[in-house]
Amino acid sequence: AQKITQTQPGMFVQEKEAVTLDCTYDTSDPSYGLFWYKQPSSGEMIFLIYQGSYDQQNATEGRYSLNFQKARKSANLVISASQLGDSAMYFCAMREAGGGSYIPTFGRGTSLIVHP
Amino acid sequence: DAGVIQSPRHEVTEMGQEVTLRCKPISGHDYLFWYRQTMMRGLELLIYFNNNVPIDDSGMPEDRFSAKMPNASFSTLKIQPSEPRDSAVYFCASSLAGGLDEQYFGPGTRLTVT
Repeated sequence: AQKITQTQPGMFVQEKEAVTLDCTYDTSDPSYGLFWYKQPSSGEMIFLIYQGSYDQQNATEGRYSLNFQKARKSANLVISASQLGDSAMYFCAMREAGGGSYIPTFGRGTSLIVHP
Repeated sequence: DAGVIQSPRHEVTEMGQEVTLRCKPISGHDYLFWYRQTMMRGLELLIYFNNNVPIDDSGMPEDRFSAKMPNASFSTLKIQPSEPRDSAVYFCASSLAGGLDEQYFGPGTRLTVT
């Protein structure tokens, strides 16, 4: 079974609008971390935001926020005021404590295109 | 501090040749990861190290792949012999101790095996 599911292969948004990229996860481990990474066309993987399973509040980093709904096992990324430079692939990832193994798992990604 | 450094950035080789990819993690990071990214399979974890010790290599596709971390500042991923299906982008990433820390990725090595 997929541990990380990103159901939107492609998303389009108008510049300056907000956009939500979906991510659901599957784990029975009570201790885990959720991450979002951005991969622009140049290829590098850029860390954006982190949410711990015990965090009470949703994580925010500038224009990025993580809508963490633990009961629903979802960790959606919200980008506010989209910019042309936000066009990229976005990957959701999870690391489970798993008895100390902390093995990371990545989703297949969502391609975001920001239109002017 | 410099980020994760990988070399070479691009490698083109012929089938059957040995390929060695190199990685220097961020200083002070205890975890090092090797990933492979392809369109078909996405981002796959190949192996990861904690304090230079291989912890999980279940993602290594075949015995043709091997990885070493002789010290805290250097790791290699070797493919011998290489095959066309090994063509991919190979990323190295590192993270601090703690396990649930974010990973910082290198720029990747684009490998083409002809």
